Amino acid sequence: GAVVSQHPSRVICKSGTSVKIECRSLDFQATTMFWYRQFPKKSLMLMATSNEGSKATYEQGVEKDKFLINHASLTLSTLTVTSAHPEDSSFYICSASSPARSTTDTQYFGPGTRLTVL
Amino acid sequence: GQQVMQIPQYQHVQEGEDFTTYCNSSTTLSNIQWYKQRPGGHPVFLIQLVKSGEVKKQKRLTFQFGEAKKNSSLHITATQTTDVGTYFCAGLSGSARQLTFGSGTQLTVLP
Repeated sequence: GAVVSQHPSRVICKSGTSVKIECRSLDFQATTMFWYRQFPKKSLMLMATSNEGSKATYEQGVEKDKFLINHASLTLSTLTVTSAHPEDSSFYICSASSPARSTTDTQYFGPGTRLTVL
Repeated sequence: GQQVMQIPQYQHVQEGEDFTTYCNSSTTLSNIQWYKQRPGGHPVFLIQLVKSGEVKKQKRLTFQFGEAKKNSSLHITATQTTDVGTYFCAGLSGSARQLTFGSGTQLTVLP
């Protein structure tokens, strides 16, 4: 149980285009989803926290107009990278948690999306 | 803000040797979690520690949470090639539900 999927797993796009990444909790309802960014051989950096039905909370330094997050349902959150540039190239990972699933705030991670902006 | 430091950044060991990674938080944690990320993969939850001084074992892995709840360690006994990957600690403090990840320790096990 506790499966989180991400789509697409890999995307290559041209500079200036927008890219949408989906994160789904497949077998549980995720009240909270988190979006991370990971550079090669680096740690996970939290970008934003989203709760179903409310606006996402962005970490300091993360542009909310560039990284649009929508958490429309208890099983789906989307991250849209708008007007992507080469410096946005990275590995984007989502995670999901639910008090019903775990009383200890365990986060279940998706497989990640590797974004390359040409 | 909260910071979680992890050392060492890299560790190469011969198969059969032991391995330890250490984690230190700038603030007192309500709990600490450990994750393993295989090369090319995503983080996978290993364990969570909640109580001061807590020690938990999973086969060859031993996890400790410091008395002050600001540090933690992961010890692997007799490493195997399947232990290869990056081990991250992640701390939760206060009422926040956000994890702050350590920088990770990349373990290489030489056969």
